[in-house]
Amino acid sequence: QVQLQESGPGLVKPSQTLSLTCTVSGDSIISGSYSWTWIRQSAGKGLEWIGRMRTNGDTDYNLSLTSRVTVSLDTSKNQLSLRLTFVTAADTAVYYCARGRLDYGSVYFDYWGQGTQVTVSS
Amino acid sequence: QSVLTQPPSVSGAPGQRVTISCTGSSSNIGSIYDVHWYQQLPGAAPKLLICGTINRPSGVPDRFSGSKSGTSASLDITGLQAEDEAYYYCQSYDSRLRALVFGTGTKVTVL
Repeated sequence: QVQLQESGPGLVKPSQTLSLTCTVSGDSIISGSYSWTWIRQSAGKGLEWIGRMRTNGDTDYNLSLTSRVTVSLDTSKNQLSLRLTFVTAADTAVYYCARGRLDYGSVYFDYWGQGTQVTVSS
Repeated sequence: QSVLTQPPSVSGAPGQRVTISCTGSSSNIGSIYDVHWYQQLPGAAPKLLICGTINRPSGVPDRFSGSKSGTSASLDITGLQAEDEAYYYCQSYDSRLRALVFGTGTKVTVL
């Protein structure tokens, strides 16, 4: 059974960098043709795809966030990371990591972490 | 603002059928891209309910079914049960935004 667990600070000051880690168990993040993904959920905007890294190393980001976001994999630790710079209150949300797979005509997410609340406030 | 629009809420009595719509455009649902559905219970992460428009992952009851026509997709819940009370989200890919996109979400209330 694949499990994902997010971790990181729950409070980040405005203009600082948000850094989160997702630890994956039950599967190797370099096996298969998956895309390891970050998604966030805020009250005002619902679910929002942030970005992903595929097992071949390719990355894709939401165009609205691309100048501030980096998604990376640490294969030695079987972890996925998110880095979001210059945060504002609009980045306050629950952040999820998820495994994406492409069996059909678009990627879907079969495993999700439990989510971690991040609040941006001074 | 999401490119996939869902009704904010639907409701039904136990045993009834409810349908949740997901309206998109020619750059997402109306194109080659499949639609997927998720159920989110209070305080929990979304859970995959339907993938590839019509397929149920193992363990999902056959009371849940999906379909797609033109630029819209639908999720049907038949034989509504109290445990189905949750938020439901559709998801696809948008070629114009070059992004994976989610619907606005629908709250299902069991009366």
